[in-house]
Amino acid sequence: AQKITQTQPGMFVQEKEAVTLDCTYDTSDQSYGLFWYKQPSSGEMIFLIYQGSYDEQNATEGRYSLNFQKARKSANLVISASQLGDSAMYFCAMRERGGSQGNLIFGKGTKLSVKP
Amino acid sequence: KAGVTQTPRYLIKTRGQQVTLSCSPISGHRSVSWYQQTPGQGLQFLFEYFSETQRNKGNFPGRFSGRQFSNSRSEMNVSTLELGDSALYLCASSVGDHLAKNIQYFGAGTRLSVL
Repeated sequence: AQKITQTQPGMFVQEKEAVTLDCTYDTSDQSYGLFWYKQPSSGEMIFLIYQGSYDEQNATEGRYSLNFQKARKSANLVISASQLGDSAMYFCAMRERGGSQGNLIFGKGTKLSVKP
Repeated sequence: KAGVTQTPRYLIKTRGQQVTLSCSPISGHRSVSWYQQTPGQGLQFLFEYFSETQRNKGNFPGRFSGRQFSNSRSEMNVSTLELGDSALYLCASSVGDHLAKNIQYFGAGTRLSVL
């Protein structure tokens, strides 16, 4: 079964508007971390934001925020005031405290295109 | 602080050959993880090294191997290359503790094409 599900293969957003990228996850661990990465066409994976399963507040990093709903097992990324440079693939990932320890489990990604 | 450096950036090999990819982590990071990214399978974990020891391994055949040196630099080797090994290989470094918040920072990747 997929552990990380990103249901939007591609999305378009107008420049300066906000956009939400969906991510749902599946784990039986109580302690886990959720991550979002951005991958431009150059290939490098850029870390954006982290949310811990025990964090009571939603994470924020500049224009990025995470809408974390633990009971629904969702961790959606919100990008405010989109810029042309935000056009990229976005990956949601999870690390479980238990089984997989060191490695990240990635979703299939969402391709975001920002229109001028 | 310098980021994660992967060399080479591009490689073209033929079936049956072997290849070695290199990764220099962020200074002070003791963990290096390797991932394979393909259009069909997405991002898949290969293995993780911490303090020169393989700490975790994904579901890949034994043709894929790696090692880590005392300065935390890591190499990944693929022997007897197959067409399906064509992929972007990403290296990530982290502090390496076992907390859930162990952020991995990635390099730009090595794009391997097997002909």
